[in-house]
Amino acid sequence: ELKVEQNPLFLSMQEGKNYTIYCNYSTTSDRLYWYRQDPGKSLESLFVLLSNGAVKQEGRLMASLDTKARLSTLHITAAVHDLSATYFCGGATNKLIFGTGTLLAVQP
Amino acid sequence: AAGVIQSPRHLIKEKRETATLKCYPIPRHDTVYWYQQGPGQDPQFLISFYEKMQSDKGSIPDRFSAQQFSDYHSELNMSSLELGDSALYFCASSYQGSYGYTFGSGTRLTVV
Repeated sequence: ELKVEQNPLFLSMQEGKNYTIYCNYSTTSDRLYWYRQDPGKSLESLFVLLSNGAVKQEGRLMASLDTKARLSTLHITAAVHDLSATYFCGGATNKLIFGTGTLLAVQP
Repeated sequence: AAGVIQSPRHLIKEKRETATLKCYPIPRHDTVYWYQQGPGQDPQFLISFYEKMQSDKGSIPDRFSAQQFSDYHSELNMSSLELGDSALYFCASSYQGSYGYTFGSGTRLTVV
């Protein structure tokens, strides 16, 4: 059964700084997802990564996938307060399995 | 664009009562998934349906049941509610052969 782990679980960042969230998964996953969740809200799709070496960028967020290492990263560039949220990665075979989540707090 | 619709948005029930949550997937999406998210937890997969048949089952208690109807909407039925069932319940839908999962806004169930 696919297991997905993220680290760190909590990340306090200063505005303007860069940081990376790591997502490891246990077995072959067809694809890798990143979602954002604001408190009490739904899950907003950020990226879907389909193949080894895939890199996608949207604004200050960039996601990449290394299927050989079973590792995906979400890199945050020059963080701003609006990025404060919980970020989940997820792997999928026939269903989406989420990682533990990373609570990101961007401090002014 | 149409999204995944869940109802109700909020629900308060007493212990041992029953609850029914509804999910209306995006038109032409043929697969529905149910997730349970406790406070500070990641969403846990409960059950999924493809073309009205159960396709996978996760950590769904025996007190819960679900089905998908001919119009593709799905209902999650929860009986003998316990305090620990208090959570956000999300429904997601997808189209077989595509890669996206679209989530609804969720139903917040509070058991008192």
